[in-house]
Amino acid sequence: GAVVSQHPSRVICKSGTSVKIECRSLDFQATTMFWYRQFPKQSLMLMATSNEGSKATYEQGVEKDKFLINHASLTLSTLTVTSAHPEDSSFYICSASETSGAYNEQFFGPGTRLTVL
Amino acid sequence: EDQVTQSPEALRLQEGESSSLNCSYTVSGLRGLFWYRQDPGKGPEFLFTLYSAGEEKEKERLKATLTKKESFLHITAPKPEDSATYLCAGRMNTGFQKLVFGTGTRLLVSP
Repeated sequence: GAVVSQHPSRVICKSGTSVKIECRSLDFQATTMFWYRQFPKQSLMLMATSNEGSKATYEQGVEKDKFLINHASLTLSTLTVTSAHPEDSSFYICSASETSGAYNEQFFGPGTRLTVL
Repeated sequence: EDQVTQSPEALRLQEGESSSLNCSYTVSGLRGLFWYRQDPGKGPEFLFTLYSAGEEKEKERLKATLTKKESFLHITAPKPEDSATYLCAGRMNTGFQKLVFGTGTRLLVSP
């Protein structure tokens, strides 16, 4: 089946530092990757959508200069949280889709727990 | 506004006690209704996709059904290992096929 990995699984950083999270599709080429944020006992909120080789599309209210997304290849997308603050602490989850067609499936990574001190 | 609402928020069952989870949606141009299972601290695990009213899909003790306004996830004779949060999501008819998630139902099955 389609497998998506994320690294790291857990990261703790100091306020003001930047953190990079990687999302990889291991056994398929991901034309489209999605980044979500999930706060405790809440659902997944889409942050941005990225297609390989083009700029990410951000959801309303998500700062593109703070959450930098790079989808450099068909198997790798990265999310960089710049100048992180405690309110950025959350569970970040990526998903990947093989195509951008009407009936493609999204497969989710295991998530990255970010704690900003 | 595209919206997905799940009920109940939490459900506690005894092992073997069947029940159903509800997902109602208002998503323009729905291109699929998805069910996922999420364990604590992990990403969602895909269960089912339903595309048209009247469609049903089954997997072990789970069966998902779809009408024009809602979807149900029926759990038959659940076991403790079925304990998890069950999420439903509607896929929008946009270029990138975004998913709109509900807030989930936290299921706890006691032995």
